[in-house]
Amino acid sequence: GEQVEQRPPHLSVREGDSAVITCTYTDPNSYYFFWYKQEPGASLQLLMKVFSSTEINEGQGFTVLLNKKDKRLSLNLTAAHPGDSAAYFCAAPATGGNNKLTFGQGTVLSVIP
Amino acid sequence: EAAVTQSPRSKVAVTGGKVTLSCHQTNNHDYMYWYRQDTGHGLRLIHYSYVADSTEKGDIPDGYKASRPSQENFSLILELASLSQTAVYFCASSPLRDWGGSQNTLYFGAGTRLSVL
Repeated sequence: GEQVEQRPPHLSVREGDSAVITCTYTDPNSYYFFWYKQEPGASLQLLMKVFSSTEINEGQGFTVLLNKKDKRLSLNLTAAHPGDSAAYFCAAPATGGNNKLTFGQGTVLSVIP
Repeated sequence: EAAVTQSPRSKVAVTGGKVTLSCHQTNNHDYMYWYRQDTGHGLRLIHYSYVADSTEKGDIPDGYKASRPSQENFSLILELASLSQTAVYFCASSPLRDWGGSQNTLYFGAGTRLSVL
């Protein structure tokens, strides 16, 4: 079934620097992807939903790039600020089961003022 | 606004004891899920349900049971709690089977921190 690998597990950057989190997936038929943000002690909130038809997705302060050839999804925070400090998770639909999501291992991002 | 409420928010249990985690949603969603979160593993699916009185096994169902008595309620039951079940548990709901809808995503509860001693 679908497997999602997320890297790095921990990332520390200075305020104003960029941060990049990458996920690779195995199912070439995946059409949707999700990025969730989990602030310390809180639940997961949807950051962005990505459709496979769009390679570049712009959000507020971040960009999600989808490379279908390499089966790679990346979250790029362009100018990180302390409020971006959180855990980030990518997810893709599980193979053969549209009603389930497979999550990456997560990345804990720390933004140093 | 979509709402998924979990109880309790934290619990300490003894090894071999029975634990029940409860989840209630007011979203009118058909799908409900139980995930556990462990450092380094992300979220892993334990059980899910798409209709009342029916549950399905997820990726790591061993040691867990689930119950969906109504559309709104979904419980996770640990009949014989073990140390390895210490984790944070998240309940979630989603409205549709097809992820293609713009509104279709997982809506998570606040989580339950379970410590088994």
